[in-house]
Amino acid sequence: EAGVAQSPRYKIIEKRQSVAFWCNPISGHATLYWYQQILGQGPKLLIQFQNNGVVDDSQLPKDRFSAERLKGVDSTLKIQPAKLEDSAVYLCASSLEAGGYSYTQYFGPGTRLTVL
Amino acid sequence: AQSVAQPEDQVNVAEGNPLTVKCTYSVSGNPYLFWYVQYPNRGLQFLLKYITGDNLVKGSYGFEAEFNKSQTSFHLKKPSALVSDSALYFCAAGRGNTPLVFGKGTRLSVIA
Repeated sequence: EAGVAQSPRYKIIEKRQSVAFWCNPISGHATLYWYQQILGQGPKLLIQFQNNGVVDDSQLPKDRFSAERLKGVDSTLKIQPAKLEDSAVYLCASSLEAGGYSYTQYFGPGTRLTVL
Repeated sequence: AQSVAQPEDQVNVAEGNPLTVKCTYSVSGNPYLFWYVQYPNRGLQFLLKYITGDNLVKGSYGFEAEFNKSQTSFHLKKPSALVSDSALYFCAAGRGNTPLVFGKGTRLSVIA
């Protein structure tokens, strides 16, 4: 079974530029998550989709971050404009079931973003 | 607010010895508890979880964890450590429809 795919793996941009990350979850998984992992910290949830609807985006900085999940499958996360403090690894995860957080999440390899 | 504490940034253990990676949580009610492992330049890999039932949970690669409600702990254990177990370990806790909160991680180093 193919895992969660993410691209690009690495991205370097200057502050105030925009950037987009792509995620393809495991086939058939209903729920998709985007996390931000700052160096030395655990992942922090940015947004959760169930099929193509947003379940939780309470920790997403909506003034600069946006995300969508196309047709309930792939997802993109965008930052515009980027700030220095956005430097982090952005992880995408998916789970088979919908509803609640007791279900196992499967993570992609992440995109490491460096903002200069 | 929910929180997870991993009190040790680094754990060193000799190959073949038992290992323990500690985790305590603060979650009201009945928690969901997870352990994930992260290898360099890779995403998190699921090891095991506790949702309900038996307090001793067995997971992948010989790891196990014990849910202790009175001590609000969920320590990860393995009877005999391998060099290949060296990685970054994360504990996470959640409840109901509240997102998982992850600890800061514990770096395990197994020395041959």
